[in-house]
Amino acid sequence: KAGVTQTPRYLIKTRGQQVTLSCSPISGHRSVSWYQQTPGQGLQFLFEYFSETQRNKGNFPGRFSGRQFSNSRSEMNVSTLELGDSALYLCASSPRRFNEKLFFGSGTQLSVL
Amino acid sequence: SQQGEEDPQALSIQEGENATMNCSYKTSINNLQWYRQNSGRGLVHLILIRSNEREKHSGRLRVTLDTSKKSSSLLITASRAADTASYFCATDEIYNQGGKLIFGQGTELSVKP
Repeated sequence: KAGVTQTPRYLIKTRGQQVTLSCSPISGHRSVSWYQQTPGQGLQFLFEYFSETQRNKGNFPGRFSGRQFSNSRSEMNVSTLELGDSALYLCASSPRRFNEKLFFGSGTQLSVL
Repeated sequence: SQQGEEDPQALSIQEGENATMNCSYKTSINNLQWYRQNSGRGLVHLILIRSNEREKHSGRLRVTLDTSKKSSSLLITASRAADTASYFCATDEIYNQGGKLIFGQGTELSVKP
């Protein structure tokens, strides 16, 4: 089976722009979650989708949003980018409802200038 | 911060030595997991221990869990240069609405050949 695929791998944007990141989970996995990783804050949970429904959301402003499609692929969007949004954004998928063994993609490295 | 704590933050050892990393967390959990991250890449799941388990083994890995102290340790025996990576603990909190893991700040392990 192919692993979790995140595109693009690298992204450079300027303040005020918006960005959309894509995640294709492992085939058959219905849960997709997103994490932001920065040197200062570490790994922080953004949100999680299961069968197209958002089950949980982390403490991030409304500029961060996401969605999941019927084929389980997921996108996250960040509007009005700020310098502090520079981070590695990681997507993870899981075959079940329960929080066991996440399979992570390689991430999208976002730089905001 | 919601995140757990890990210590040490960095650990440098010689090949063949054992490496021990500790993790503390704040709330009641369903399970605790350990992940490895090679520089700038996605996380790889190593092992999961449930709240009713005290010790678990997988190859060269040994994990212990003490729910009364809200702490866990990861032991890697006979370390190899290829074990050089960052190691994170992650907890599934008991009142989690779903899909969210709380990650520790990580331990950076360097194994010198």
